[in-house]
Amino acid sequence: DSGVTQTPKHLITATGQRVTLRCSPRSGDLSVYWYQQSLDQGLQFLIQYYNGEERAKGNILERFSAQQFPDLHSELNLSSLELGDSALYFCASSKGQEAGNTIYFGEGSWLTVV
Amino acid sequence: GQQVMQIPQYQHVQEGEDFTTYCNSSTTLSNIQWYKQRPGGHPVFLIQLVKSGEVKKQKRLTFQFGEAKKNSSLHITATQTTDVGTYFCAGPGAGNNRKLIWGLGTSLAVNP
Repeated sequence: DSGVTQTPKHLITATGQRVTLRCSPRSGDLSVYWYQQSLDQGLQFLIQYYNGEERAKGNILERFSAQQFPDLHSELNLSSLELGDSALYFCASSKGQEAGNTIYFGEGSWLTVV
Repeated sequence: GQQVMQIPQYQHVQEGEDFTTYCNSSTTLSNIQWYKQRPGGHPVFLIQLVKSGEVKKQKRLTFQFGEAKKNSSLHITATQTTDVGTYFCAGPGAGNNRKLIWGLGTSLAVNP
């Protein structure tokens, strides 16, 4: 158990819909990361927040948005969903904000768009 | 842009054989991390290497960081079925790049 909690574990939704994935980081960690993993793409970094502020941005689509709240939990909002958005979405956390910090991953949220 | 390449992409071995995966960065890395993801699981941190030429061991796993800090390797001696999974390397981006740059991973299958 990494200490990073993600909900929901599985989600099936239709194209065009909007979903929200939730993440609680490890106790004491200030950074939260979101990653997308699909079969043919490996781990794709989406975005990082540190203590409530956006810290780094990766290949995140405009249809996707995220935020980190004052209690440090984070949400990833995915809208106008397409079939290609079906993937495993990981949240991860670390103590610091620098890229060299060890990252602890949650178990992921499986999103299936039908 | 900055890239981290991993080879091979896939490796299939017989239990008891050795296995090595290589990680090569297009730029010098301040450190490199290795993660393991079991099938159906999430990436789990294995180790971080910081110093040029550093070698670290974890039981049957040996990690090396190249002298130029642009490449790294993970060697598993006498593989076991519990070693099955995908091994990722990742290193910090250069300069103002705040992101961790990930390799695509090497998927290891072990025949019992």
